[in-house]
Amino acid sequence: GQSLEQPSEVTAVEGAIVQINCTYQTSGFYGLSWYQQHDGGAPTFLSYNALDGLEETGRFSSFLSRSDSYGYLLLQELQMKDSASYFCAVVGPGGKLIFGQGTELSVKP
Amino acid sequence: EADIYQTPRYLVIGTGKKITLECSQTMGHDKMYWYQQDPGMELHLIHYSYGVNSTEKGDLSSESTVSRIRTEHFPLTLESARPSHTSQYLCASSEGEGAGYGYTFGSGTRLTVV
Repeated sequence: GQSLEQPSEVTAVEGAIVQINCTYQTSGFYGLSWYQQHDGGAPTFLSYNALDGLEETGRFSSFLSRSDSYGYLLLQELQMKDSASYFCAVVGPGGKLIFGQGTELSVKP
Repeated sequence: EADIYQTPRYLVIGTGKKITLECSQTMGHDKMYWYQQDPGMELHLIHYSYGVNSTEKGDLSSESTVSRIRTEHFPLTLESARPSHTSQYLCASSEGEGAGYGYTFGSGTRLTVV
């Protein structure tokens, strides 16, 4: 089977840095993706890690360690608009995504 | 502008009715997916397609069916809606192997069966 674990909620203040962790157990692992979802709307793609290491895209970075079955999303210089749910998703055979339960991030002023 | 469109955005329907949720994309993507999501929960894959005339069931068992007669169109049908079908249904598409480019999601259909 496949399972992903991430914290259910995280709170941080504006301007801070926050890290959302994700551990996974899966067969047929091709990579780890992260998605952002505001108020149950359309999830939007943030990042994808196929290989170990850090990928940086602006204020967001994502890390993967395949040997530890672990990854994280790092958000820097937090803004109020970053308040949303963040999902890690394992990429399986054929590019299918299996999502974690999501982490609700609340950014406070 | 390339995008993925779902209609209707909201639907309230009585038990036993047949419904079709529409999903269309203008990006020419071969791969399309349907996910089901309850409020505050994860997305569950219920159907996917790798191209015209290709459809497969996902990891979450669903009483719905899908068809893929045209590349751009991937409708989902419930023959007889029940209150247990109340949920949000999200359609997505991806190009190539998909993962590196990410999925593009529609805004979803929020279905309520009364």
